[in-house]
Amino acid sequence: DTAVSQTPKYLVTQMGNDKSIKCEQNLGHDTMYWYKQDSKKFLKIMFSYNNKELIINETVPNRFSPKSPDKAHLNLHINSLELGDSAVYFCASSASGRGGYEQFFGPGTRLTVL
Amino acid sequence: AQSVSQHNHHVILSEAASLELGCNYSYGGTVNLFWYVQYPGQHLQLLLKYFSGDPLVKGIKGFEAEFIKSKFSFNLRKPSVQWSDTAEYFCAVISMDSNYQLIWGAGTKLIIKP
Repeated sequence: DTAVSQTPKYLVTQMGNDKSIKCEQNLGHDTMYWYKQDSKKFLKIMFSYNNKELIINETVPNRFSPKSPDKAHLNLHINSLELGDSAVYFCASSASGRGGYEQFFGPGTRLTVL
Repeated sequence: AQSVSQHNHHVILSEAASLELGCNYSYGGTVNLFWYVQYPGQHLQLLLKYFSGDPLVKGIKGFEAEFIKSKFSFNLRKPSVQWSDTAEYFCAVISMDSNYQLIWGAGTKLIIKP
C-alpha cells in the first residue's frame, strides 16, 4: 500500500557510468517531481511533470533526463555520473488544481558516485 | 521571485523545552503554507498545512503553527518537545507567484537532548 515508491534505495556506482532511478505513485496524482537533497539537507527541485508533460525544468545538467511513461511513473536517468551527483534523490507527487498541492514523498534514493 | 526563510539552521533543546521555529515568506498574495519533517534517514512527511480559515493550525504529534499574514510568517511550535522530535524541519509555500510550485526553506535541524 506504499503511496510513492522509489527503486533502488541505495545506488553506488563509478564516475562516468549511466544509471536510472524509478518512481511510482499509486495515489492517482497527476503531477510528479524529482528533488535533489545535498549533504546539507537543502532540497532542490529538479523536474516536475504534469500529466506526463514537463512543466518545471530547473537548471540541471542535461546529463539528467526524466521520463514519464504514464501519470503514475516518473523515472530519472543520469548519464556520465560525476562525483557532485552524490546526493539523496526524492520523488514526490501531488494532485494538481486547487486541491492543496500537498506533496507526498518517496523514501529517497541515496546515490553515491565513487 | 518568492523565497522562504528559516532563520534557525540548528536548534538544540532539552526534552520538555518549548519549541518555536521561524518561517517567513516573501509573497504578499494568497499562499498555502506547509511544514514538513524529515526524521533521520527517512523521507519528508507532512506535519501540518494552512490553506484558509483559522490561522492557528494543529498538526500531528502535538505540533501547531500560526499564520500571521501581517508578518508573512508561519512559525512552528510545540509546547514540550521529546527526544523523538529530533529531525530536520522544512517550511514550504505555494502561491500564484511560484506558479503553484512549492518553494522550500533551507530547513532547520532540531536536536533534542535526552
